[in-house]
Amino acid sequence: DQQVKQNSPSLSVQEGRISILNCDYTNSMFDYFLWYKKYPAEGPTFLISISSIKDKNEDGRFTVFLNKSAKHLSLHIVPSQPGDSAVYFCAATGGGSNYKLTFGKGTLLTVNP
Amino acid sequence: SQTIHQWPATLVQPVGSPLSLECTVEGTSNPNLYWYRQAAGRGLQLLFYSVGIGQISSEVPQNLSASRPQDRQFILSSKKLLLSDSGFYLCAWSPKYEQYFGPGTRLTVT
Repeated sequence: DQQVKQNSPSLSVQEGRISILNCDYTNSMFDYFLWYKKYPAEGPTFLISISSIKDKNEDGRFTVFLNKSAKHLSLHIVPSQPGDSAVYFCAATGGGSNYKLTFGKGTLLTVNP
Repeated sequence: SQTIHQWPATLVQPVGSPLSLECTVEGTSNPNLYWYRQAAGRGLQLLFYSVGIGQISSEVPQNLSASRPQDRQFILSSKKLLLSDSGFYLCAWSPKYEQYFGPGTRLTVT
């Protein structure tokens, strides 16, 4: 049972345009959501997060939107840069003492110059 | 600032041989620690997590084991490797919600 889904395995965007990465979840106990960026042969890097009490969080070029009723979140990157080309993972947690994360399978973003 | 180390970076081992991967964290105390595996073309699978010294929780049945002998040290082991153990192994630590990952170990079982 895949509780966090990233339905687009890949996305291609032109440099300077907006990249929108989507993520859906099924577990209504999730209350904190995160996005990670991963380059090949490296560990994922934490990008941005959002609590379920908010519907938007912004950090520079990165904005995460949360729609709790639709159990959907998205990551917007504006403007997209070639260095943003990587695999992006969505993750969610319901907290608890272990703060376990459930990850989606990732979306490969390619930003073309 | 906090730093997480993993070694070795790459490892090639024959089937049936033992395994020991080590992860250490600097600059924090009593972190939650996690071991993940990323198989080729797949997402991140949580293998083990630990909320304290000697406390290990396993997420999936397998021939791997984990130990936390010290507060900031997390070890992944196997007595006999299988071909299916090949993958990219990642250690992570967290103070609370966000997890911070190490550089990973590429394990190839031949």
